[in-house]
Amino acid sequence: GAGVSQSPRYKVAKRGQDVALRCDPISGHVSLFWYQQALGQGPEFLTYFQNEAQLDKSGLPSDRFFAERPEGSVSTLKIQRTQQEDSAVYLCASSSWTLTRGTEAFFGQGTRLTVV
Amino acid sequence: GDSVTQMEGPVTLSEEAFLTINCTYTATGYPSLFWYVQYPGEGLQLLLKATKADDKGSNKGFEATYRKETTSFHLEKGSVQVSDSAVYFCALSIETSGSRLTFGEGTQLTVNP
Repeated sequence: GAGVSQSPRYKVAKRGQDVALRCDPISGHVSLFWYQQALGQGPEFLTYFQNEAQLDKSGLPSDRFFAERPEGSVSTLKIQRTQQEDSAVYLCASSSWTLTRGTEAFFGQGTRLTVV
Repeated sequence: GDSVTQMEGPVTLSEEAFLTINCTYTATGYPSLFWYVQYPGEGLQLLLKATKADDKGSNKGFEATYRKETTSFHLEKGSVQVSDSAVYFCALSIETSGSRLTFGEGTQLTVNP
């Protein structure tokens, strides 16, 4: 596609509900990242995939957060038993794999999750 | 750990004013440095970058120089326009961390006509 696409754009969940957020990266991009952006803050790293392999999940805040990218393309971030502190914008970014320093990451518009 | 600190905002300027947004970093390795911008209703997009010391990144009239001695990457523009109103994020990445980005907290810029 022309850019990184995320769906849904907005999600309201009741506390305790499970949610799934989808990311369609730019076609051919090997690297995929998820970030969490709280209101008025910068994005914070959650997890990183290279193709289908999840190479780094050190930023996931708890075991309620789970991400997958089974075919090395579309990725899903799942949050189980949502809590109010999970309310944030979830950003997906993709980039081509290269040995060059400073590779550009392309971001989607994000999914705004509100837990009530 | 790695971190990025930006000047506190928000910043409000008149059109054609000079802009500086300060950014300093702490990194365990040798980072690449970026400025990303988020226009209202849009996703984050790369504004400029620098990958080694003394490099200057530039785009759309914005500039930033990678200063290793002061661990800084300040963003400047000589004459801002209303269309520059956005949130600006300074960020770093280190290849050994899979090139994930570490962001500052962002600076909201409003330019008035």
